Order: sequence, then C-alpha cells, then structure tokens
Amino acid sequence: DIQMTQSPASLSASVGETVTITCQASQHIDSYLNWYQQKPGEAPNVLIYSASSLWRGVPTRFSGSGSGTHFTFTISGLQPEDVGTYYCQQYDDLPLTFGGGTRVEI
Amino acid sequence: EVLLEQSGAEVRKPGESLKISCKTSGYTFREYWIGWVRQMPGRGLEWMGFIYPRDSDIRYSPSFRGQVIISADRSIDTAYVQWSRLKASDTAVYYCVRLRVLVGDSLGALDVWGQGTEVTVSS
Repeated sequence: DIQMTQSPASLSASVGETVTITCQASQHIDSYLNWYQQKPGEAPNVLIYSASSLWRGVPTRFSGSGSGTHFTFTISGLQPEDVGTYYCQQYDDLPLTFGGGTRVEI
Repeated sequence: EVLLEQSGAEVRKPGESLKISCKTSGYTFREYWIGWVRQMPGRGLEWMGFIYPRDSDIRYSPSFRGQVIISADRSIDTAYVQWSRLKASDTAVYYCVRLRVLVGDSLGALDVWGQGTEVTVSS
C-alpha cells in the first residue's frame, strides 16, 4: 500500500492568514493526488484533484501543488468557514489511501 | 442533482450481522464505481472497496477483504455493505462514495459522498 503522511496534524491560524499543509507519499505517485475538506459533523468534499486542479465550485483561495512524492495544499486567506479537517488521498494505485488529516482551527 | 442517501444509524451486539444501504439518484448507477469509506471515532478516512454495478466487478482494500461484502442492486440503484459477524472495532461512521474517473486516468476523485451511517457495536 502507498502510505500518505500529512503534516502538521493540527494548526491554528487567524482569519486572513495563509495556511499550508504538506503530504508526502511513500512512493512516486505522479500527480495522482486529491485533497478533501471535512467540516465538523459532515461528510468530506473534494477540493483539489490531480494535485493542483480546483474542483468546480470550490473557492479560488484553495490551491494545491506538487508531484512525485511531495505535495502542498494552501488556503490563501483563511475564512471562518474553512474550519475542519483536510485530507490528502492518492489514486495512483489501489488501495486508495488517505493521509492522517490536518485539523485547521481559528 | 446527484445524491447518495444512506440508511439510518444502527446499534448491534458483537457477533450480529448487519447490512447498510446507499440509495443513489441523479446519475446512471451502472456507469460509476461506488463504494465505502470508514471513519472510526475521532479518526481519519479509510477506503474499504468499490463495486462497478455494470458488471459487478468488486475491488476491496486488503484491510477489509474477508471482513465485509460489498454488493449492488442495479434494479433499484442501490449499493450495500454487509458484515456477517460484527466486532466492537467495527464501530464507525461509514460513508458511501462515488468514484469519478478522471480523464485519461483509471481512478480519480471521490466526488459525491453520502451523509454517513453511524454503526455502533456494543454488548
């Protein structure tokens, strides 16, 4: 299985700040990486696919970059509604695997 | 609108069986992989497996193969996951998910999620 390591496990930032989360894959996965947001008490939603493409309807303050084994997710201008947990997920191969999650607080 | 409507919360005792469902609407059921993701209390997301309703091809995560059975009924556009003998460690929220295969890829993103079914296994 491809292991996905996310950091940090949690962070706290102020409204308007830029937040960065990293995800490292245990092997090369090209750009086969998605990012999801899970708000408290809700199901996750996809934000970014193919490492850097914004899913339709997702605000442009969310962005992703990287390829190979190292990936970055950024929220440029944190908003109160962005509180939640963010997960990376690889789809280079089955089984699909997720990072451990990053809890974002304000 | 694409919707995945899951069955309600369940409470069972260890050793009991259970089958939960995911009723889909708003798209052609047989043309998308559909599957399940587990979230144990306070923990992250774990992919369990998928089924392709068109030909009933099933892919399981090695962690869940032999522990659950994933199935689908094309006549009512519904997917299922079932346990024959539940354990306390099966206590979790289970999400039904649709796989959107991305252009040029064999896999893709989990683009639609059900609301989750909470399963509690306790004596």
